[in-house]
Amino acid sequence: KAGVTQTPRYLIKTRGQQVTLSCSPISGHRSVSWYQQTPGQGLQFLFEYFSETQRNKGNFPGRFSGRQFSNSRSEMNVSTLELGDSALYLCASSPGGSGGLDEQYFGPGTRLTVT
Amino acid sequence: TQLLEQSPQFLSIQEGENLTVYCNSSSVFSSLQWYRQEPGEGPVLLVTVVTGGEVKKLKRLTFQFGDARKDSSLHITAAQPGDTGLYLCAGERYTGANNLFFGTGTRLTVIP
Repeated sequence: KAGVTQTPRYLIKTRGQQVTLSCSPISGHRSVSWYQQTPGQGLQFLFEYFSETQRNKGNFPGRFSGRQFSNSRSEMNVSTLELGDSALYLCASSPGGSGGLDEQYFGPGTRLTVT
Repeated sequence: TQLLEQSPQFLSIQEGENLTVYCNSSSVFSSLQWYRQEPGEGPVLLVTVVTGGEVKKLKRLTFQFGDARKDSSLHITAAQPGDTGLYLCAGERYTGANNLFFGTGTRLTVIP
């Protein structure tokens, strides 16, 4: 079974621009979660999508948004990029729908650099 | 402020030595997970502990969940170079929510 894939793997953007990152979950998984990883703050939860609906949201500004498609693929968007948005963005997929904590499978991440 | 504090932050030991990593919080978690992350990759789940006082063993790794479900530890016996990586604990605050609160991380280097 193919793992979680994220595209692109590396990205360089300029302050003020916007960016869209993509995540393809493991086949059959309906839940996709997004995390931001930085040296200073570590791994922080952004949001989770399940069956095309945002189910949970972390404490990030509205510039961070996401969506999920009917095939469970997910995208996250960051508008008006700031230098502090430079980070590794990780997506994790899980079966979802169990009512409990699923085992989450992480992708390799997208390394975003904002200059 | 991180909800879960890990110690030590960095650890460099010789092959064959034992080590313990701690994950502490003032908050209660319904479950706690341990992950290992290697450069260029996402975290990989090692174990999930759910019950206060629970102990789980995975070959040379022993995981313990505190009685009050506020802390956890990871003990590695006879460390090997393949154990090198970033160890992360992650807690689930609310049952049924797939949003994990990750610890600050412990970067382990095992020297051959």
